[in-house]
Amino acid sequence: SAVISQKPSRDICQRGTSLTIQCQVDSQVTMMFWYRQQPGQSLTLIATANQGSEATYESGFVIDKFPISRPNLTFSTLTVSNMSPEDSSIYLCSVESTSGAEQYFGPGTRLTVT
Amino acid sequence: QKEVEQNSGPLSVPEGAIASLNCTYSDRVSQSFFWYRQYSGKSPELIMSIYSNGDKEDGRFTAQLNKASQYVSLLIRDSQPSDSATYLCAVSRGTGGFKTIFGAGTRLFVKA
Repeated sequence: SAVISQKPSRDICQRGTSLTIQCQVDSQVTMMFWYRQQPGQSLTLIATANQGSEATYESGFVIDKFPISRPNLTFSTLTVSNMSPEDSSIYLCSVESTSGAEQYFGPGTRLTVT
Repeated sequence: QKEVEQNSGPLSVPEGAIASLNCTYSDRVSQSFFWYRQYSGKSPELIMSIYSNGDKEDGRFTAQLNKASQYVSLLIRDSQPSDSATYLCAVSRGTGGFKTIFGAGTRLFVKA
């Protein structure tokens, strides 16, 4: 399985500001995913990020609010823009296994917006 | 109807007992099925994957799949307090761009 790191691990941000979350993988992967997990809830997919193409966003998530970069096969960023308290959540990146549909998750970024 | 349904629990079992976790899904063309364990404050960790009907065993864990009934289960034998976590069932149509759908999870408590 891939080793995935995320930065920052947590942050407290003010309303109206933006935060960029970084996801680094120790091997080259095609598919990377960004999820949000609110307290006590399951995972909600924000978008799928493939290297060399635009990210694909799920219903309810838009590029202006959650711009994603995928500059190479080991790195991606998710920006949470113009934040509001409703954006307080854990943000997780994951990668798809090269041998199947299994996904492996980074440690997550805990975001609190005040 | 939710795409992947799980009993939210909590499911409480005594140490040493068998914990049985169940999941149903709605997409009949699903091909890949997973169980993830998530400790409080941690990210999900893959513990089992199953692709064919029947049972798949890995240590104390057994995953069971019945595609005709659209049903997946996870059995944990000799449950330990360290198994206390939320278990997420996940379903996918396969690799290469298909979305994985996660259930809401079942909270398991193993009492010492």
